[in-house]
Amino acid sequence: DQQVKQNSPSLSVQEGRISILNCDYTNSMFDYFLWYKKYPAEGPTFLISISSIKDKNEDGRFTVFLNKSAKHLSLHIVPSQPGDSAVYFCAASRNDDMRFGAGTRLTVKP
Amino acid sequence: NAGVMQNPRHLVRRRGQEARLRCSPMKGHSHVYWYRQLPEEGLKFMVYLQKENIIDESGMPKERFSAEFPKEGPSILRIQQVVRGDSAAYFCASSPQGLQGAGSYGYTFGSGTRLTVV
Repeated sequence: DQQVKQNSPSLSVQEGRISILNCDYTNSMFDYFLWYKKYPAEGPTFLISISSIKDKNEDGRFTVFLNKSAKHLSLHIVPSQPGDSAVYFCAASRNDDMRFGAGTRLTVKP
Repeated sequence: NAGVMQNPRHLVRRRGQEARLRCSPMKGHSHVYWYRQLPEEGLKFMVYLQKENIIDESGMPKERFSAEFPKEGPSILRIQQVVRGDSAAYFCASSPQGLQGAGSYGYTFGSGTRLTVV
């Protein structure tokens, strides 16, 4: 059961431009949404999260937007840097259950 | 100030052998989660443990897989009689409290164990 979906397996952007990664979910009971970043041969690292009662959370170059009516969230990275190149996982949690999407591979070209 | 430690980093097993994957959570963390990542797929939840207790094993296959988190020592994920389909990266994560508290900041993952069954 894919309760969290990332429909774009890959995304390529130019350095300095905006990267927008998208995520959809099906379970309206999730209460937190998170983004993780993963480099090859490393574990995922927590990036940013948003509570279901908010629609925006910003941390430096990273902003997460939540649209509950559409069951959609997105991660914006502005400006994108080559070091941002990684796989980004969207996750959603409720109680002790956290579900992950399949990931989007972001490549930022210099 | 070690993070979540997983070992071994790479494990090769022949079909039918047993695989043991170890996870030492971050200091002060008493909640451990195991996830599996198959090639080209996301992270699939397997099991959630606290010290000496399995809280949720709904993601774990009913046969051949078991997990424990003893009072002393690391958490162990054991796979008996491995098959080629078990080849994957297995990640362990820990948090100081249950997910209800971790939902806002996520939890800390180890670097994973890459299991290859030949």
